[in-house]
Amino acid sequence: DAMVIQNPRYQVTQFGKPVTLSCSQTLNHNVMYWYQQKSSQAPKLLFHYYDKDFNNEADTPDNFQSRRPNTSFCFLDIRSPGLGDAAMYLCATSRVAGGEYDEQFFGPGTRLTVL
Amino acid sequence: GQNIDQPTEMTATEGAIVQINCTYQTSGFNGLFWYQQHAGEAPTFLSYNVLDGLEEKGRFSSFLSRSKGYSYLLLKELQMKDSASYLCAVLDSNYQLIWGAGTKLIIKP
Repeated sequence: DAMVIQNPRYQVTQFGKPVTLSCSQTLNHNVMYWYQQKSSQAPKLLFHYYDKDFNNEADTPDNFQSRRPNTSFCFLDIRSPGLGDAAMYLCATSRVAGGEYDEQFFGPGTRLTVL
Repeated sequence: GQNIDQPTEMTATEGAIVQINCTYQTSGFNGLFWYQQHAGEAPTFLSYNVLDGLEEKGRFSSFLSRSKGYSYLLLKELQMKDSASYLCAVLDSNYQLIWGAGTKLIIKP
């Protein structure tokens, strides 16, 4: 089945220790997104890629970086995680950016705990 | 600024009907989405409205009034598995998806 896969589902890291979250998709979608979602809050868009064209949201902290080496994979790097970075990180894809119908398909998420 | 407003929490009874409202102020409008999110899981797509009116899909219906900046999600014949958060999201003029914080729906037997 075509899907969005995120690994790991649960990630524990130490304060300040770099961590990388991964996302892959078999949908062959052009656009990939990384969201941060804290409890009872709206998902917050961190980055999105239209193909390999990288788009950084204006208020995404410098502590966060992203890579998309090919159409199928996307990575989120957190250089020095702080306690405030503990959250669910959601990867999503969409077929195109804009257009009439831009449904996003989400992966299961990675829950990050910072100790 | 851009803003999506939804009630924080609602409670309803199994078998009943519930309406979850969403109002929005965004720079432009290219459609409104409703997503369902169970606790600890990713959002899943429920509906998309870009024209005024009601879209029905089984037990779930979604309504849009663009002139009023208003939408609602109607859930009929509620089941316990409908307990979840329901997120309203609007695609603005730049095709950026603006998310509401979600409405937590609690279903009681």
